[in-house]
Amino acid sequence: KAGVTQTPRYLIKTRGQQVTLSCSPISGHRSVSWYQQTPGQGLQFLFEYFSETQRNKGNFPGRFSGRQFSNSRSEMNVSTLELGDSALYLCASSTQGPPNEKLFFGSGTQLSVL
Amino acid sequence: AQSVTQPDIHITVSEGASLELRCNYSYGATPYLFWYVQSPGQGLQLLLKYFSGDTLVQGIKGFEAEFKRSQSSFNLRKPSVHWSDAAEYFCAVGASSGDKLTFGTGTRLAVRP
Repeated sequence: KAGVTQTPRYLIKTRGQQVTLSCSPISGHRSVSWYQQTPGQGLQFLFEYFSETQRNKGNFPGRFSGRQFSNSRSEMNVSTLELGDSALYLCASSTQGPPNEKLFFGSGTQLSVL
Repeated sequence: AQSVTQPDIHITVSEGASLELRCNYSYGATPYLFWYVQSPGQGLQLLLKYFSGDTLVQGIKGFEAEFKRSQSSFNLRKPSVHWSDAAEYFCAVGASSGDKLTFGTGTRLAVRP
């Protein structure tokens, strides 16, 4: 069974640009969660989608958005990039979603904003 | 809202020595508790979890953790550390009445030869 796939692996953008990250969950998983990981801050929860609906959202500005498609693949978009958005973005999938399920993580997309 | 504290940012132990990583949580009811490990350049992998029952839980790679309600702690232990255990370890808590997982800031483990 293929694991969680995130593309691209690395991204370099400049301030003001926008970016779209992709996450393909494990087959059969309907929940996809997104996290931002920065040194010293750990993993900060962005949002969680289940069957194309956003079920939960973290405390991030509206520049961060996401969506989920009927095949459970998910994308997140960050508009008007800021230097502080440089981070590793991780997605995780599971069958029913948090809080009591094992999450399967992708290797992440490393975003650098210059 | 639940929260997690991992007081140790970095820990260095010698190979073969024992290990204990600390995790304290804040939540009013019985939480769902997890430990995940992240190797360099990788995503996170579940080591073990606690929902209810026996307060000492066994995980993969020889790790175990003990839930202590009176101390609001869920510390991770390993009797003998291997060089391959060098990684970052995250404790996470989920609320039984909630719908998200909250992670701690992580503890980076270095293993001295």
